[in-house]
Order: sequence, then structure tokens, then C-alpha cells
Amino acid sequence: NAGVTQTPKFRILKIGQSMTLQCTQDMNHNYMYWYRQDPGMGLKLIYYSVGAGITDKGEVPNGYNVSRSTTEDFPLRLELAAPSQTSVYFCASSYRTVMNTEAFFGQGTRLTVV
Amino acid sequence: DAKTTQPPSMDCAEGRAANLPCNHSTISGNEYVYWYRQIHSQGPQYIIHGLKNNETNEMASLIITEDRKSSTLILPHATLRDTAVYYCIVRGSNTDKLIFGTGTRLQVFP
Repeated sequence: NAGVTQTPKFRILKIGQSMTLQCTQDMNHNYMYWYRQDPGMGLKLIYYSVGAGITDKGEVPNGYNVSRSTTEDFPLRLELAAPSQTSVYFCASSYRTVMNTEAFFGQGTRLTVV
Repeated sequence: DAKTTQPPSMDCAEGRAANLPCNHSTISGNEYVYWYRQIHSQGPQYIIHGLKNNETNEMASLIITEDRKSSTLILPHATLRDTAVYYCIVRGSNTDKLIFGTGTRLQVFP
């Protein structure tokens, strides 16, 4: 199993550009999450999904969009990139049950908006 | 979900036990205590979780007080590789979100 794979690892965007951060998992997990982490800070939840076709907002959803058309993939779309979106983005997945919701994280995408 | 309070930073000598506290005084009956850690800029890594009994695995032990208002993560023999930010999270069994706080930055020194 590859686990949670994020692409790209690094990206520089110009203000106003758009891009999609890719996240895929091969563990057949039903739950997937997107987080951002600013320098020296904790993780903030952007969006999450409890299954294909279902998404919901987290703590900081403004400026982002997501979709979940398959169990495996959960792309994060940035429209009109702004310097405030400079951050490290982490995707995670978990197989949600009542007893155990261990989440597995990808290695992150480091995004700089200039 | 109940909020958690952790000290911002701690030090520990290599080879000694690292005891990381977490306060979750508003925890409710169906909420679990989870611990994750983040080494440098990597993705967070799950460590352990529990409901009310003490738990142990190959990485750590989790001690939850009888009233469940606080817990302690124990790394029995800390190594330099355990230097990381440790996050204590309380999450209900019927809660979909996974919310991180600010964590404790553990520095293990030689």
C-alpha cells in the first residue's frame, strides 16, 4: 500500500492563479480530510469528506473547493490564489468506525503564492 | 468536541521517560482521547488512543485519569527521534471532524 499520496510536493503560484492539489489513498478509507499548516502553527481543517459524493466545510474553507467523486481521490481546488494561502497542505484519510479512527497523513504539499 | 489544553513545550533527556500531559476537563462520555505527533514538517503520525482504560502499544502508553478530565502520554525511553510536536485530540465516536490544537513541542536532548 502506498497510503496517502499527495501531488505535487512543491508549487509556486502567482497571485490570481488557480491550481488543484491532488490526494489519493489506496486503503479504501471512507473519510478524507484536507488541512493547512502555516509556519510555526498547528493544523487547520479546510474540508473533509465522509464518503464519495459527500463533502463538508472545516474550520477554514474560504478560498477553497473540494470534490469527492471516488473513494480514492479527494482533490483540493484553489481559485484565485492569494498570498494568505501560502502554507503546507496535508491530506489525510481514515476508515471510520466507532472504535478506531486512526488517520493516515500524506507528506504534504508546500505551496507558495507570490 | 471537548477542547484540550497542553503545555506549549517540554524538554526530556534521552533515555528518560517523557510524560506529556493533556487537560480535557469538558470531555463527554462518548469522546475518545487521541495522540498524534508531527516530526519536523512531516505529516502527523498516529500514536495511540483510548476511552477510559489505560492503553499501551509499541510506541507509547496512555494514562487516562479516572474522571477522564486529563491524560498523560508516556514515551518510556525517549530518543532524539522523538523530538516532535505532540497533539492531544478529543473526538466523539459520532463526530466526523478531526480538529488539531496547538500541541506540545517536545525536545529530547542528549
